[in-house]
Amino acid sequence: KQEVTQIPAALSVPEGENLVLNCSFTDSAIYNLQWFRQDPGKGLTSLLLIQSSQREQTSGRLNASLDKSSGRSTLYIAASQPGDSATYLCAVCFDSGGGADGLTFGKGTHLIIQP
Amino acid sequence: DAGVIQSPRHEVTEMGQEVTLRCKPISGHNSLFWYRQTMMRGLELLIYFNNNVPIDDSGMPEDRFSAKMPNASFSTLKIQPSEPRDSAVYFCASSFTGGIMEAFFGQGTRLTVV
Repeated sequence: KQEVTQIPAALSVPEGENLVLNCSFTDSAIYNLQWFRQDPGKGLTSLLLIQSSQREQTSGRLNASLDKSSGRSTLYIAASQPGDSATYLCAVCFDSGGGADGLTFGKGTHLIIQP
Repeated sequence: DAGVIQSPRHEVTEMGQEVTLRCKPISGHNSLFWYRQTMMRGLELLIYFNNNVPIDDSGMPEDRFSAKMPNASFSTLKIQPSEPRDSAVYFCASSFTGGIMEAFFGQGTRLTVV
């Protein structure tokens, strides 16, 4: 069964710190990997998408990397701010051989940035 | 584009009643997905359509759940009869399979079955 795991489940850091969120997946046959942000009671906001052929993507203070061979991705947040507090979800679009599947999600990392 | 639009945003119903959730995907997208989010299980894929055709419904929990996509701009997820354990947030998402397949999500429908 294809699975996505996120570590840590929760993280609390002071404002201004750089931090890394981790995501691992069980199958290297993927189409892409997406990182989402979810605020309490809200929907999912797409942050970054890394295609299977790419190694990393950057958007502002966010940088996501992908290592397919080891089944890992990281989301790096630079100079964290209280507004970054949210749950961050890693999702993988696996290639089942018959085409792209829907997204398989990790359980998320609940991030709190202390002012 | 207004993004993926789901209705209703909130639904409270009594056990045994029929519930219908609605989704309008982003115009031009040809894949549509229904997900369910609970505290215990996180986000789970229920079913997805490609070009209005159901491709994989292995995530649909029981026969009480059914989904349709009569055209490219509308989909429904129906639960009949509803049970308290169906209480969750249901998300619809869409993407375009000819591109990078980035998925865009609606705001969700929070379903409470009492």
